[in-house]
Amino acid sequence: EVQLVESGGGLLKSGGSLRLSCVASGIIFSNEWMSWVRQAPGKGLEWVGRIRINTDGGTTDYGAPVKGRFTISRDDSKNTLYLQMNSLKIEDTAVYYCTTDRVSMVRGVITNIPDSWGQGTLVTVSS
Amino acid sequence: QSVLTQPPSASGTPGQGVTISCSGSTSNIGTNYVYWYRQLPGTAPKLLIYEDSQRPSGVPDRFSGSKSGTSASLAISGLRSEDEADYYCAGWDDSLSGPVFGGGTKLTVL
Repeated sequence: EVQLVESGGGLLKSGGSLRLSCVASGIIFSNEWMSWVRQAPGKGLEWVGRIRINTDGGTTDYGAPVKGRFTISRDDSKNTLYLQMNSLKIEDTAVYYCTTDRVSMVRGVITNIPDSWGQGTLVTVSS
Repeated sequence: QSVLTQPPSASGTPGQGVTISCSGSTSNIGTNYVYWYRQLPGTAPKLLIYEDSQRPSGVPDRFSGSKSGTSASLAISGLRSEDEADYYCAGWDDSLSGPVFGGGTKLTVL
């Protein structure tokens, strides 16, 4: 059974930095594309970004609201996914979920959609 | 403002069926697969439907997905009180080069 456990959330001031971690078990982590998805209080889901497996280049992509401020990385030896968040804004306040991705090839384009989810960790940014 | 559009609420009585809609465009639903999630109160989302109409193992056949053009639907039959949750549609968007979500539909079982 897939288990994803996020940690590192907390309360901090606008402009600060924070690093979230997600430890995976029950899967071959090095074979999994991984994403971060966030959910602001009382709001819907928003994709933050994704990292490919190393054999696919290990490259990352991000949603527009976080591009240039957030960085996703992975340590396959520790089965751990990271989200480094810099220059935090009040609107970054959310529960952050780590997910495995379901990867498909559609008309020659590789697409990834979140599959299994962790329980989430809350990040609160104040002014 | 979500890229995919869902009704904010839906309701039904135990044993009834209910359908939740999801509307998109040619850059997402019209050309890519649709996925559905259920989020019970205070918990993480769980994948219910993938690739328009496929159910992961363990998801009962009371849940079914369909798609036509740039719209998709999630149908739930034989409603139970434990189906009361938020339901989200999602899919890949070619223009944004990433996954996009609907705003969610809160299902109430009366």
